[in-house]
Amino acid sequence: GENVEQHPSTLSVQEGDSAVIKCTYSDSASNYFPWYKQELGKGPQLIIDIRSNVGEKKDQRIAVTLNKTAKHFSLHITETQPEDSAVYFCAASMNNQGGKLIFGQGTELSVKP
Amino acid sequence: DSGVTQTPKHLITATGQRVTLRCSPRSGDLSVYWYQQSLDQGLQFLIQYYNGEERAKGNILERFSAQQFPDLHSELNLSSLELGDSALYFCASSVGTGGQTQYFGPGTRLLVL
Repeated sequence: GENVEQHPSTLSVQEGDSAVIKCTYSDSASNYFPWYKQELGKGPQLIIDIRSNVGEKKDQRIAVTLNKTAKHFSLHITETQPEDSAVYFCAASMNNQGGKLIFGQGTELSVKP
Repeated sequence: DSGVTQTPKHLITATGQRVTLRCSPRSGDLSVYWYQQSLDQGLQFLIQYYNGEERAKGNILERFSAQQFPDLHSELNLSSLELGDSALYFCASSVGTGGQTQYFGPGTRLLVL
């Protein structure tokens, strides 16, 4: 079945710097790749997603890139702020499996003021 | 607020007991997904229902079962509870099935003593 690997597990940056989190997936049939932010005591919140027919998507300070050939996708956060501190999860899913999400292990991002 | 509601927020019970977790999807969403989040296993897909029918199954134990009712709310039943079942249980919903954006609820924290 699908397997998603996420790196790094922890990331510490200075406020204003950029942060990059990378994920690789194993099944080339995966075609939907969302990113979630989870704050302490809350459920995962969708921040951006990308489908396999698109190589890059941007929403203000957040961008995601997808390389289907290499089977990896990345989250880029620019001009980081302390409120960006949280755990970030990448995920992958396939249309023909009901849409279940296979999650990466998570990255704990800490933005120091 | 994602629009997905889960009750109860916290649940403390003893080994061998049975509990029911409840989820109400966002208005208009037909799919409900259940996920388990634990420190050692991360976020794992359990089961999906679409318009009352089971659509996909993940790593769900035989002691666990779920259903989706005509009003589209869903319940996850956990029986013969073990210490290792202690985890956060999240419900998510989406409009359809297959590569749809999933919105997560706030979760139910289960502690088995």
